[in-house]
Amino acid sequence: GENVEQHPSTLSVQEGDSAVIKCTYSDSASNYFPWYKQELGKRPQLIIDIRSNVGEKKDQRIAVTLNKTAKHFSLHITETQPEDSAVYFCAASLSGNTPLVFGKGTRLSVIA
Amino acid sequence: GAVVSQHPSRVICKSGTSVKIECRSLDFQATTMFWYRQFPKQSLMLMATSNEGSKATYEQGVEKDKFLINHASLTLSTLTVTSAHPEDSSFYICSARGPLGQNELFFGSGTQLSVL
Repeated sequence: GENVEQHPSTLSVQEGDSAVIKCTYSDSASNYFPWYKQELGKRPQLIIDIRSNVGEKKDQRIAVTLNKTAKHFSLHITETQPEDSAVYFCAASLSGNTPLVFGKGTRLSVIA
Repeated sequence: GAVVSQHPSRVICKSGTSVKIECRSLDFQATTMFWYRQFPKQSLMLMATSNEGSKATYEQGVEKDKFLINHASLTLSTLTVTSAHPEDSSFYICSARGPLGQNELFFGSGTQLSVL
């Protein structure tokens, strides 16, 4: 089955700097790659996703890139703000009614 | 977006009791729901896939007799933790893909189970 590796496990950045989180996946058939943000005790919230027919997607300060050949995808947050501090999870799956397989998460701390 | 409701949000129970967690899709029908478990500071681990009108599919290592899943309608799936023990203490969270074939997974608010 699918296996998703995520790095780093923790990341501290100064406010205004960029943050990059990287993930790799094992199943070449996976075609859907979302990123979730989870605050303590809360449900995960989707922040951006990408499908395998697209190499890059951007939404304001957040962007995701996908390299299907290498089977890795990355989350980029620019101009970080303290409210970006949370745990971020990458995930992969086939589209349709298949479950998401999550990476182990990255705890991002943005220092004011 | 689609709304998934989960109850209760927090349960404290004695060892040996059973606990039922409900997951409802409020504004759409979900033929499939996914149950995840999350230990403190860890990732979301898939426990089982709940299918309306049929048996759930459990992930390797998850005891089907301990974690009973029932998906009796298109809007309700339940997870019952039977004879709970302290090691079952965890954050349990359900999810479903949105209507109209959306890829996005919508999560319930989660249930924090503490077994004394």
